[in-house]
Amino acid sequence: TQLLEQSPQFLSIQEGENLTVYCNSSSVFSSLQWYRQEPGEGPVLLVTVVTGGEVKKLKRLTFQFGDARKDSSLHITAAQPGDTGLYLCAGVINTGGFKTIFGAGTRLFVKA
Amino acid sequence: KAGVTQTPRYLIKTRGQQVTLSCSPISGHRSVSWYQQTPGQGLQFLFEYFSETQRNKGNFPGRFSGRQFSNSRSEMNVSTLELGDSALYLCASRALTDYGYTFGSGTRLTVV
Repeated sequence: TQLLEQSPQFLSIQEGENLTVYCNSSSVFSSLQWYRQEPGEGPVLLVTVVTGGEVKKLKRLTFQFGDARKDSSLHITAAQPGDTGLYLCAGVINTGGFKTIFGAGTRLFVKA
Repeated sequence: KAGVTQTPRYLIKTRGQQVTLSCSPISGHRSVSWYQQTPGQGLQFLFEYFSETQRNKGNFPGRFSGRQFSNSRSEMNVSTLELGDSALYLCASRALTDYGYTFGSGTRLTVV
């Protein structure tokens, strides 16, 4: 059974603070995505990383894919209340067909 | 372009009934996947369709079924509803060249 563990499960911080969310597995992924989901809506794709060691930046968000393609991190600089939401990582495994596994998510709350 | 459209948004059903949920993918996306999301289990993969064929299936009982039409629209059906089927059901589509999904807003199913 392939598992994707996310930590922390819950994070409550003040506006302006930095934070990092982690996503770990024993499986090797063809690619990994990060999504953000707001209440009552579906997840929205933020980024896809494909190459081991890859780093992508999206404004104040920095995504990193581990060298072995088994783990990833999301770092947010100077968090804002608008960053509040559920952050999900999803790893794609090639098992003859492509299968996507989601982590349980990190619920982030940024206080003004 | 229009996003992934799911109907209905909300549904209340009684135990033992059946339900059909509908999903229209982004134009040009031929792959459609369905996920069940609950607070306790997170996003659980139900099935994936491509060109009217089921390509992958998750670990759900046979009460959960789906199909895809020639225009890529998809439906999922749940028969003999149980209280535990209460969840947000998400449909996602993707182009074959993409790893990431575009999700719909989901159908919130409540079984009473």
